[in-house]
Amino acid sequence: GAVVSQHPSRVICKSGTSVKIECRSLDFQATTMFWYRQFPKQSLMLMATSNEGSKATYEQGVEKDKFLINHASLTLSTLTVTSAHPEDSSFYICSAPEGNEQFFGPGTRLTVL
Amino acid sequence: AQKITQTQPGMFVQEKEAVTLDCTYDTSDPSYGLFWYKQPSSGEMIFLIYQGSYDQQNATEGRYSLNFQKARKSANLVISASQLGDSAMYFCAMREGVSGGYQKVTFGTGTKLQVIP
Repeated sequence: GAVVSQHPSRVICKSGTSVKIECRSLDFQATTMFWYRQFPKQSLMLMATSNEGSKATYEQGVEKDKFLINHASLTLSTLTVTSAHPEDSSFYICSAPEGNEQFFGPGTRLTVL
Repeated sequence: AQKITQTQPGMFVQEKEAVTLDCTYDTSDPSYGLFWYKQPSSGEMIFLIYQGSYDQQNATEGRYSLNFQKARKSANLVISASQLGDSAMYFCAMREGVSGGYQKVTFGTGTKLQVIP
């Protein structure tokens, strides 16, 4: 199946700093990518839909100024958590559709101290 | 209202036995797709099986099969001949509006499956 990569896999940062997470489709083009957040022992919650060449669509309750999304090319979407706080600590995972399937990256575990 | 409902927070199954994980969904869109994913403790989401709303036959992939009952809006996952490596969280998910382009996928709350030797 298609491969989606994420970088970094794990990041620890101080409160108030910004963190950028990259999501790449390695062997297919993705005009749409999705960003999810998963807190421990919970399900994946969709944060936003990233669209190549246009603005991202955010889910209700997700602050677009805090979670900046840039989909600059057909293979790369980035999520920047600005001014991160401890409550932003979570598992962030991206996905991209290909055909009928939805492929996920391996996830990024963010810990904000 | 919940789009995807998984009523079993946890399940146990004996190794080599079959197990059914329940999933019901709610949509008014005639075109939709249903997924099952496995998430081991490492966190990666592993695609298992897909069923389109217009598919006439139940989807099967190796030891995984999807019991699709459209009128009941259920899409249960059946794992045959359970293996110790099947112990993980399992998520049912749905994508609506398939024919209109890529729409978001929403997830159920998950079922933690533990396979007992």
